[in-house]
Amino acid sequence: DAGVIQSPRHEVTEMGQEVTLRCKPISGHNSLFWYRQTMMRGLELLIYFNNNVPIDDSGMPEDRFSAKMPNASFSTLKIQPSEPRDSAVYFCASSLTSWAGANVLTFGAGSRLTVL
Amino acid sequence: GESVGLHLPTLSVQEGDNSIINCAYSNSASDYFIWYKQESGKGPQFIIDIRSNMDKRQGQRVTVLLNKTVKHLSLQIAATQPGDSAVYFCAEMPGGTSYGKLTFGQGTILTVHP
Repeated sequence: DAGVIQSPRHEVTEMGQEVTLRCKPISGHNSLFWYRQTMMRGLELLIYFNNNVPIDDSGMPEDRFSAKMPNASFSTLKIQPSEPRDSAVYFCASSLTSWAGANVLTFGAGSRLTVL
Repeated sequence: GESVGLHLPTLSVQEGDNSIINCAYSNSASDYFIWYKQESGKGPQFIIDIRSNMDKRQGQRVTVLLNKTVKHLSLQIAATQPGDSAVYFCAEMPGGTSYGKLTFGQGTILTVHP
């Protein structure tokens, strides 16, 4: 298995532009998570899905952020409009969750976003 | 004003020594704990996990200890190698229907000197 695949690996954009980050989870996994990592705040959970349904988006910073999971093999995190304070590494992770409790989250390599 | 980042705890050891990384978790309802390793430019990578009905679990060169009384978790790495240099995170998961939602600690920087 190729693991969790994220794109782009690096993105540099100007303030005000729309940014779309993409994630392909591990095949067969039914939960998907978006995390953000910064020096200021460490690893923060933004939103997660189970069976393609958003379960908890309380970590999404504000309305400029949105996430979708149209099918089991694809998710997007969109920032519109982007601001310099959104600069961070964004990680996608997936897991196979059952009634007995969750298994381990497997992380992608991350998308490093720089907003100028 | 000037931004101040997280001041991560650091641990420096010599190659071959044993390392102990500590973590205090916050939620007494957490019943599943994981240690992750993050190398520069990469995503966190699973090391070892433990459930709250256990107090010790061993893997290859690693041992996790759980003390629920004081909400403390530790990771022991035996015969530490330069390749073990990374940031180590503990993560906790509450019981019940959490769908695998993990809350991460701030991390500890481990540096192994040859």
